Amino acid sequence: KAGVTQTPRYLIKTRGQQVTLSCSPISGHRSVSWYQQTPGQGLQFLFEYFSETQRNKGNFPGRFSGRQFSNSRSEMNVSTLELGDSALYLCASSPDRLAETQYFGPGTRLLVL
Amino acid sequence: GENVEQHPSTLSVQEGDSAVIKCTYSDSASNYFPWYKQELGKRPQLIIDIRSNVGEKKDQRIAVTLNKTAKHFSLHITETQPEDSAVYFCAASPNTNAGKSTFGDGTTLTVKP
Repeated sequence: KAGVTQTPRYLIKTRGQQVTLSCSPISGHRSVSWYQQTPGQGLQFLFEYFSETQRNKGNFPGRFSGRQFSNSRSEMNVSTLELGDSALYLCASSPDRLAETQYFGPGTRLLVL
Repeated sequence: GENVEQHPSTLSVQEGDSAVIKCTYSDSASNYFPWYKQELGKRPQLIIDIRSNVGEKKDQRIAVTLNKTAKHFSLHITETQPEDSAVYFCAASPNTNAGKSTFGDGTTLTVKP
């Protein structure tokens, strides 16, 4: 099976802009989670989607949002970008919510200037 | 919510020596504890995991131990090799919420030839 894929891999934006990142889970996986990885903060949970519904949300401002489509693909959106949003955004998929193992995508590296 | 602390933040060992990384967690509802290895510029990869009904698990040179009473778990790597050099993350999650893992801040392991 193909692994988790994320697009784009790299992105440069300026403050105030918005960005949309995409994640395609492993075929058959229905749960998608998003994480922000920064050198100082490690891996921080953003949100989890299952069956097109957000099931959990981490401690991030409302500028961070997401959605999941019927084919389990997921997108996350960050509006009004700030310099501190520069990070590697990782998504991870698992077969369902009770499955424990998550498989990570390669990430999207976002640089906000 | 869950809080995971990981120590040490950096670890340098000589090739052939053992390496131990320790994590503590706060939420007694957590019962799944994976360890991920992230090489520079790559995605986190699951290397071993343990569930709360097991005290120890071993896979070749890697082992993980769990003490539920004390709420801590450890990763042990024996006979380290230069290719073990990477950042290692521990995580904790409750089985009813597989997509929402709380990660430690990571340990940068350097194995010197």
